[in-house]
Amino acid sequence: DSGVTQTPKHLITATGQRVTLRCSPRSGDLSVYWYQQSLDQGLQFLIQYYNGEERAKGNILERFSAQQFPDLHSELNLSSLELGDSALYFCASSWGGTSLYNEQFFGPGTRLTVL
Amino acid sequence: KNQVEQSPQSLIILEGKNCTLQCNYTVSPFSNLRWYKQDTGRGPVSLTIMTFSENTKSNGRYTATLDADTKQSSLHITASQLSDSASYICVLGAAGNKLTFGGGTRVLVKP
Repeated sequence: DSGVTQTPKHLITATGQRVTLRCSPRSGDLSVYWYQQSLDQGLQFLIQYYNGEERAKGNILERFSAQQFPDLHSELNLSSLELGDSALYFCASSWGGTSLYNEQFFGPGTRLTVL
Repeated sequence: KNQVEQSPQSLIILEGKNCTLQCNYTVSPFSNLRWYKQDTGRGPVSLTIMTFSENTKSNGRYTATLDADTKQSSLHITASQLSDSASYICVLGAAGNKLTFGGGTRVLVKP
């Protein structure tokens, strides 16, 4: 158990809908990262927050947004969902935000299925 | 073209045997190279982290090597166990803690 929690574990929804994924980092960690893992693309970095502020952005679509709250939990919002958004979404956390040697601890993931 | 290429895509080995997984990368500059183990449907777990100046790092039966000149890394698994069945992912870490992931090598250990 990494100490990172994600809810829900599974989510099934329809195209065009909007969903929110939630992540609680390990105690003491200030950074939260979101990743998408599709069958054909492997893990893709989406976005990082550090202590409530956006720190780095990866291949995140404009239909997706995220935020980190004062208690450091984070939410990833996915809107106007398409079939291709079906994937595993992982959250990871680390203590620092810019350390070059920062280890990230991954949560169990949320499996999103868009029908 | 992916900046982190792993080979083979998959392999089957017998329990107790050794195997070596390869990672070639073009990410530059980078600060560290990581190997993760990912069980099916679960989050990745870190095995090793090496800075660009290190050339080997071990974690139990897992040994990672890094050759920055040829831009290659390998992960060697010694005396494989059934629990080693998983995907192994090579990851390059750049400034700002941004990670670039390889596609992974799926390992199946058979009794």
